[in-house]
Amino acid sequence: EPEVTQTPSHQVTQMGQEVILRCVPISNHLYFYWYRQILGQKVEFLVSFYNNEISEKSEIFDDQFSVERPDGSNFTLKIRSTKLEDSAMYFCASRLWGSNQPQHFGDGTRLSIL
Amino acid sequence: DAKTTQPNSMESNEEEPVHLPCNHSTISGTDYIHWYRQLPSQGPEYVIHGLTSNVNNRMASLAIAEDRKSSTLILHRATLRDAAVYYCILNRDDKIIFGKGTRLHILP
Repeated sequence: EPEVTQTPSHQVTQMGQEVILRCVPISNHLYFYWYRQILGQKVEFLVSFYNNEISEKSEIFDDQFSVERPDGSNFTLKIRSTKLEDSAMYFCASRLWGSNQPQHFGDGTRLSIL
Repeated sequence: DAKTTQPNSMESNEEEPVHLPCNHSTISGTDYIHWYRQLPSQGPEYVIHGLTSNVNNRMASLAIAEDRKSSTLILHRATLRDAAVYYCILNRDDKIIFGKGTRLHILP
């Protein structure tokens, strides 16, 4: 069964450094998402992306964050200048066209900011 | 945000059926009911969804009340691998708003 894949599984970065988290969504999916989960807390929506532009973003997704679909297969989340509070699991998700299609999630990247 | 209410935790014995309840009294006519689960150290996983009629798939069944103000996720024969947090979500917006869900413990 096709799945969403995320790399790396664990990223350790110094505070203030830029980090790029990578995702390969399921190949025929058209809608893409990033979520994060701080340890012990709820999964939180960050951003949705369709047709090469952001559809919606949350308050968390400030100017330090950006997303890109640089080619036909990858979907990336960049954090420009990381802060300690950016430490979390970051999940990518994708879905088919159709408003009630379920989202399919990757297993996440654990981002640790030192 | 469309609100759902779930018990914080439930326990079940292995190989027995599990009924996970969800209340969604403010559901609107076009809201689909989606269930996801999150196993330890993994991303959320889609389980099942429905609108009005009961639904079955290889993972579970979804029973939806006639007035649609509540629903029940049914795992027919729980295994240890089903221990997870289960989320009941009204698919109103494109984004998923996760609540705390129900933490399901399976006893061997």
